[in-house]
Amino acid sequence: DVVMTQSPLSLPVTPGEPASISCRSSQSLLHSDGNNYLHWYLQKPGQSPQLLIYLGSARASGVPDRFSGSGSGTDFTLTISRVEAEDVGVYFCMQAQQTPFTFGPGTKVDIK
Amino acid sequence: QVQLLQSGAEVKKPGASVTVSCKASGYPFTSYTIHWLRQAPGQRFEWMGWITVASGEVEFSHQFHDRITMTRDTSTATVYMELFSLGFDDTALYYCARETFDYWGQGSLVTVSS
Repeated sequence: DVVMTQSPLSLPVTPGEPASISCRSSQSLLHSDGNNYLHWYLQKPGQSPQLLIYLGSARASGVPDRFSGSGSGTDFTLTISRVEAEDVGVYFCMQAQQTPFTFGPGTKVDIK
Repeated sequence: QVQLLQSGAEVKKPGASVTVSCKASGYPFTSYTIHWLRQAPGQRFEWMGWITVASGEVEFSHQFHDRITMTRDTSTATVYMELFSLGFDDTALYYCARETFDYWGQGSLVTVSS
């Protein structure tokens, strides 16, 4: 199975400042079709996960443009250009390159 | 709008089985695969498997393959996941999600307790 790791696991942030989360996979997520099958989610307390970024860098519908994804192969980054208070929650990455699909442990983002 | 509405919380004894349902609306039901996932307390998400709604074809994670079934009822746009031989470590929130993981159900809590 593909093992997903994230860092940091906890990220205190200051509103208005940038923030970034790293996600690494034990195998390349670059498919022969040219896409990286890596997605980013935010799970707010008591809610289901919401898709932020798919295929490594494509912003999902309705997601603010302060969220961006980058990376390829085994190393990926989620960046929030200017954190807002509503961005608190647990961010996690997921690989959909091969089954079983696997998830990172999550990064808890809260306000300093 | 797209919605996946899951069944309510369940409490089961060890060794029992549980069925969780996921009723889809707001899109062509047979056009999208449905995934089942779970999140145990303090743990990362686990993908359990998927069902191709149009054909009923399934694929399960090797972790669950011998004690899980997934079925669908196209007349009611509902997908079912049944997990057998429950143990205490099956206590978790169970979710259904649409094919590209863009829409998720609200989660169904399954508690295994003696």
